[in-house]
Amino acid sequence: QLQLQESGPGLVKPSETLSLTCTVSGGSISSTRHYWGWIRQPPGKGLEWIGSIYYSGSTYYNPSLKSRLTISVDTSKNQFSLNLNSVTASDTAVYYCARVEGEAPPDYWGQGILVTVSS
Amino acid sequence: EIVLTQSPGTLSLSPGERATLSCRASQSVSSSYLAWYQHKPGQAPRLLIYGASSRATGIPGRFSGSESGTDFTLTISGLEPEDFAVYFCQQYGNSPWTFGQGTKVEI
Repeated sequence: QLQLQESGPGLVKPSETLSLTCTVSGGSISSTRHYWGWIRQPPGKGLEWIGSIYYSGSTYYNPSLKSRLTISVDTSKNQFSLNLNSVTASDTAVYYCARVEGEAPPDYWGQGILVTVSS
Repeated sequence: EIVLTQSPGTLSLSPGERATLSCRASQSVSSSYLAWYQHKPGQAPRLLIYGASSRATGIPGRFSGSESGTDFTLTISGLEPEDFAVYFCQQYGNSPWTFGQGTKVEI
C-alpha cells in the first residue's frame, strides 16, 4: 500500500523559507507512470495546487507561487521536497503531498502537515 | 484559472438519506477532468470520482458523479455513518489545477 508522509517544521518565521519533505513508501518515486505534487489549504479556505515534479526533475509550478517556489526530488531517498521562500502569514496552511498518475487526479495523499508562519 | 463553486456549504442529513452536492465551474473543464474527494479530519483525502463520473478503485456504488455542461454533481444514495465528512471537487483539465471550497455533510 502506497503511503506518503509529510515532514518538516511546524513553525516558520516571516520572510524565511518554508521547507517540507514528502517520503514515499510502498512504491518507487522513480516510476515513469507517476509524478508527485504539493497542495495546501489555508485555515478556513479551499485547497490550492502548489506544483508537481517528475522523477527526472521536470517541474510544474502554480504561476501564483512560481517566483518563490522550488520543488526537488531525491530518488535515492524516495523523497521529494518543497521550498517556499519569503513566507508571510498568508502561507500558513496545511500542506499535503500527493501522487498523480498520467492524466488522472491525485490518487494518494499524505495526511498533511500544518505549517504556521509567525514570529 | 477555473473557479469551482461548491454548494451548499453544509448539508444536514440523516443516515439513509440521499445527498446531492454541486460543483459549478466558471468555464468549461477540459475533457471532463473533474474529480470528487472525501476528506475527514486528520486523514488523507480519499479520491471518489474521476473523469466526472468514474468511480475510483474500491469506492462503493452509492457514490456517483454526473455532469451537465459546467455543472457537476456528486450523489450519495443512502448515507452511511462513515459518509459524514467534507467533500470537495477538483478540476485537473486546465492549468493550474483548482479546487472547490468543499461541502460538509453533517448528521
